[in-house]
Amino acid sequence: SQKIEQNSEALNIQEGKTATLTCNYTNYSPAYLQWYRQDPGRGPVFLLLIRENEKEKRKERLKVTFDTTLKQSLFHITASQPADSATYLCALRPGSSNTGKLIFGQGTTLQVKP
Amino acid sequence: DSGVTQTPKHLITATGQRVTLRCSPRSGDLSVYWYQQSLDQGLQFLIHYYNGEERAKGNILERFSAQQFPDLHSELNLSSLELGDSALYFCASSVRQGDEKLFFGSGTQLSVL
Repeated sequence: SQKIEQNSEALNIQEGKTATLTCNYTNYSPAYLQWYRQDPGRGPVFLLLIRENEKEKRKERLKVTFDTTLKQSLFHITASQPADSATYLCALRPGSSNTGKLIFGQGTTLQVKP
Repeated sequence: DSGVTQTPKHLITATGQRVTLRCSPRSGDLSVYWYQQSLDQGLQFLIHYYNGEERAKGNILERFSAQQFPDLHSELNLSSLELGDSALYFCASSVRQGDEKLFFGSGTQLSVL
């Protein structure tokens, strides 16, 4: 069956450290993979997109990698701050889809402690 | 502010009732997506409309229906409500139907008692 999985356990790290979140998928051939941030009671907010032919993408303190062999994406936040505390969702567009429909993982909650 | 407006923000109703959730996409966006988010299921795709036409369906119950109007706003109708329908319902929009990133509204929190 098709699955997109993120670590369901919350990730607790100290301010200033690098947070690394994992997204694994099964039985999909995604055209691209995206990462969103969601704060409690709010809608997800787009952060980064990485295509199937890209290995790495960066935006300020954020970095995303995409390994289509391992079927895995890693999301890094360097020099983390308490304001980075939120739930992070990965989402993919199935390669077979001709719409912008996204399939989301369950999300990983990040807590950055001062 | 994403530019996507959802109303109402909160809705409390009883089992068996029918409700309508409304979404206004960002100005110029032709695509509207509806998602349901519950604690145990995460964010689940329900349905996608592009310029008034249904383009894709996800795990949407037969008791649920949606439409997109000529002014591009969309409504999600939920009928014969059950306790398990309690969830956050999000609308998202994008410019084109195959567009890459979605802009989400703040959601409607539905509580069925």
